[in-house]
Amino acid sequence: ELKVEQNPLFLSMQEGKNYTIYCNYSTTSDRLYWYRQDPGKSLESLFVLLSNGAVKQEGRLMASLDTKARLSTLHITAAVHDLSATYFCAGAEYGNKLVFGAGTILRVKS
Amino acid sequence: EAQVTQNPRYLITVTGKKLTVTCSQNMNHEYMSWYRQDPGLGLRQIYYSMNVEVTDKGDVPEGYKVSRKEKRNFPLILESPSPNQTSLYFCASSLAGATEAFFGQGTRLTVV
Repeated sequence: ELKVEQNPLFLSMQEGKNYTIYCNYSTTSDRLYWYRQDPGKSLESLFVLLSNGAVKQEGRLMASLDTKARLSTLHITAAVHDLSATYFCAGAEYGNKLVFGAGTILRVKS
Repeated sequence: EAQVTQNPRYLITVTGKKLTVTCSQNMNHEYMSWYRQDPGLGLRQIYYSMNVEVTDKGDVPEGYKVSRKEKRNFPLILESPSPNQTSLYFCASSLAGATEAFFGQGTRLTVV
């Protein structure tokens, strides 16, 4: 059974700083997802990582996947207030089932 | 526009009063599922469907029912809602084996 753990669960950071959110998963997962959720909104897909060593970048966010360590990271570079949101990672179990981490609430302070 | 549509967006109901949350997708996706989101727990799968007339339990199915009579629709039924089913619910759909899942806007349910 796939289990996904994120840390930290809450992150308060200053604008302009860098930080990393970690996502560990327990068993083999076909792929690893990162989603963003704004308050009261649905989930917005950020990245889908399909293979070991995969790295994807969009703006100030970069995600990577290490399947041997069963670890994915979401790195935030020079944070801005607009990045404040809740970030989820999710693994895929037997086909299309997504197993989510608890989420990381990110607050960027100016 | 490709989308997953849930209704209603907000619902307050009383314990024991049957309710249905509808979910419809216009992308001809085979796979549909329901998740509930609770603080500190992320999203957990309630039920899923691989195709018409094929449904199965997810991780937290107790107190819920689903049906898949048509490919585009996947309603979530609470026969006798209880306060512990107060949550934010999401419907999602995808092509079988596809990498991308599409989520509905969410339904915030409060059971008093």
